[in-house]
Amino acid sequence: DQQVKQNSPSLSVQEGRISILNCDYTNSMFDYFLWYKKYPAEGPTFLISISSIKDKNEDGRFTVFLNKSAKHLSLHIVPSQPGDSAVYFCAASASGSARQLTFGSGTQLTVLP
Amino acid sequence: GAGVSQSPSNKVTEKGKDVELRCDPISGHTALYWYRQSLGQGLEFLIYFQGNSAPDKSGLPSDRFSAERTGGSVSTLTIQRTQQEDSAVYLCASSASSVVDYGYTFGSGTRLTVV
Repeated sequence: DQQVKQNSPSLSVQEGRISILNCDYTNSMFDYFLWYKKYPAEGPTFLISISSIKDKNEDGRFTVFLNKSAKHLSLHIVPSQPGDSAVYFCAASASGSARQLTFGSGTQLTVLP
Repeated sequence: GAGVSQSPSNKVTEKGKDVELRCDPISGHTALYWYRQSLGQGLEFLIYFQGNSAPDKSGLPSDRFSAERTGGSVSTLTIQRTQQEDSAVYLCASSASSVVDYGYTFGSGTRLTVV
């Protein structure tokens, strides 16, 4: 039973355009959401997060949107750059606890020059 | 060190052998986590250490898996009698607190292949 789902295994976007990565969750106890980026042969690195009390969090080119009623979040990257090409993981936590994050299966983003 | 260090980076072992994977967390980080990523899957939680508290072992898939953390620092994940389904990238992470405000810092992982 996948509690966090990333239904698109891959996404290709032209450099300079917007990348939109999607994530759905089923557990209504999740109240903190994170995005991680992973390059080959490296560990995932934290990118951006959002608490359930917000519906948007922005950090430079990266914005995360949360729709609690739809149990859906998305990561927008604008403008996309070739260096953004990586696997992006969505993760969720209950009660803001780092004890255990539940991860999606990831989306491979390729930004074409 | 500056980051989370894991060794070895790659390990090929024969089915039925035991393996030990090592993690050196960031100095001063009290929380340490082990996850694994099987091919095409997301990261799967295995075990969590926080300070001197009893570890949360709820994610360990079988009793062939065990982990310890010595002196609140280095951790070793041991897999006994390895099976082919144990093949995965094993990731260690650490954080300064138990609150996931900025996520954790992951190591680059150990790729385990059981043949």
